[in-house]
Amino acid sequence: DIQMTQSPSSLSASVGDRVTITCRASQSIGSYLNWYQHKPGKAPNLLIYAASTLQSGVPSRFSGSGSGTDFTLTISSLQPEDFATYYCQQSYSTPYTFGQGTKLEIK
Amino acid sequence: EVQLLESGGGLVQPGGSLRLSCAASGFTFSSYAMSWVRQVPGKGLEWVSVISGSGGSTYYTDSVKGRFTISRDNSKNTLYLQLNSLRAEDTAVYYCAKDRAAVAGTPYNWFDPWGPGTLVTVSS
Repeated sequence: DIQMTQSPSSLSASVGDRVTITCRASQSIGSYLNWYQHKPGKAPNLLIYAASTLQSGVPSRFSGSGSGTDFTLTISSLQPEDFATYYCQQSYSTPYTFGQGTKLEIK
Repeated sequence: EVQLLESGGGLVQPGGSLRLSCAASGFTFSSYAMSWVRQVPGKGLEWVSVISGSGGSTYYTDSVKGRFTISRDNSKNTLYLQLNSLRAEDTAVYYCAKDRAAVAGTPYNWFDPWGPGTLVTVSS
């Protein structure tokens, strides 16, 4: 199975900050990497697919980059509604696997 | 609007069974593979299973193989997950999610949207 490792596991930041979350795959996965936002009690929400394509309706302050084994999710200017847990997920092969999550908290 | 709504969760004893359902609307259900993803309380997301749009192809994560069965009824726009031989470690919120394409297990794939989830608690 492909292991996905996110860093950091948690992050404190302020409104307006620029934030970067990293995701590393245990083997090359090309660009088959997706990012989700998850708030407690809600359904997870797709932000970025295929490493860098912004899902329709997602604010442009979110961006993704990377290929192979190393990927990043960047939020250019944090808004109050962005405080949540973020997950990367590889779709290169089944079993599809997620990173352990990065909890983004208000400083 | 695409909508997914899970049901069937609840409290079950270890070794017991449960069937989860996911009612879909707002899209041509048979044209898309569907997945189940779970979240153990306080933990991260874990993909569980996927079924192709036709229902002819399925994949499972190793920890549920032989115990869980994914199926679908395209005439009812409903996805199912049969959970047998349940263990305490199966306690989780179970989400259904729509895949990108009809083919199950394709690399160019993502989950969108997801349902709100249904809680399964395995405890005596």
